[in-house]
Amino acid sequence: EAQVTQNPRYLITVTGKKLTVTCSQNMNHEYMSWYRQDPGLGLRQIYYSMNVEVTDKGDVPEGYKVSRKEKRNFPLILESPSPNQTSLYFCASSRKTGTGRGEQFFGPGTRLTVL
Amino acid sequence: AQTVTQSQPEMSVQEAETVTLSCTYDTSESDYYLFWYKQPPSRQMILVIRQEAYKQQNATENRFSVNFQKAAKSFSLKISDSQLGDAAMYFCAYRSAGYTGANSKLTFGKGITLSVRP
Repeated sequence: EAQVTQNPRYLITVTGKKLTVTCSQNMNHEYMSWYRQDPGLGLRQIYYSMNVEVTDKGDVPEGYKVSRKEKRNFPLILESPSPNQTSLYFCASSRKTGTGRGEQFFGPGTRLTVL
Repeated sequence: AQTVTQSQPEMSVQEAETVTLSCTYDTSESDYYLFWYKQPPSRQMILVIRQEAYKQQNATENRFSVNFQKAAKSFSLKISDSQLGDAAMYFCAYRSAGYTGANSKLTFGKGITLSVRP
């Protein structure tokens, strides 16, 4: 089954404790992205990756890091989480733009609470 | 930069009736995609329908259809024969069709919460 997986689905942590949210896709997609969803703001892009070893900042990158060492994986790293990073996080993937149907496939989401 | 506006935060519809959700966007590009995503209480993002800007014909998927007005930069979603399972948050989204990194993202509206009355 074609899918994007994220782990963990729920996480409660404390300020300053480093954490990683994993994302993996099995569709051989070049493009991967992280979004955060906050009430009244919709979804905003944090980081994206056009392919292996190619990453760049989105609209709200402060406090986050990413890496793309393998095509299928795109982890999101919070090295020193703060309460303002409490949010719902989505990983998404797609074929590279200019090809395919344009839509991005989303993971199930990770609900993060930073105390 | 592209923007997407959903001005109605909430709407309600009677079961079996028809409802239209509004969306406007702003772009200087001529080739792009538009999407409606549904987010039920499970929080999963589900693609409802997509529209390619160069296609004049409005997209249709079963009970869901769009009214795409390119010149007016309007992209509304019509849900016919509304069902209880349609209750969710709906997001309108834009994506450039060009192969450029920064423009490859989905730009979302703030969403609209649709409730369905039995």
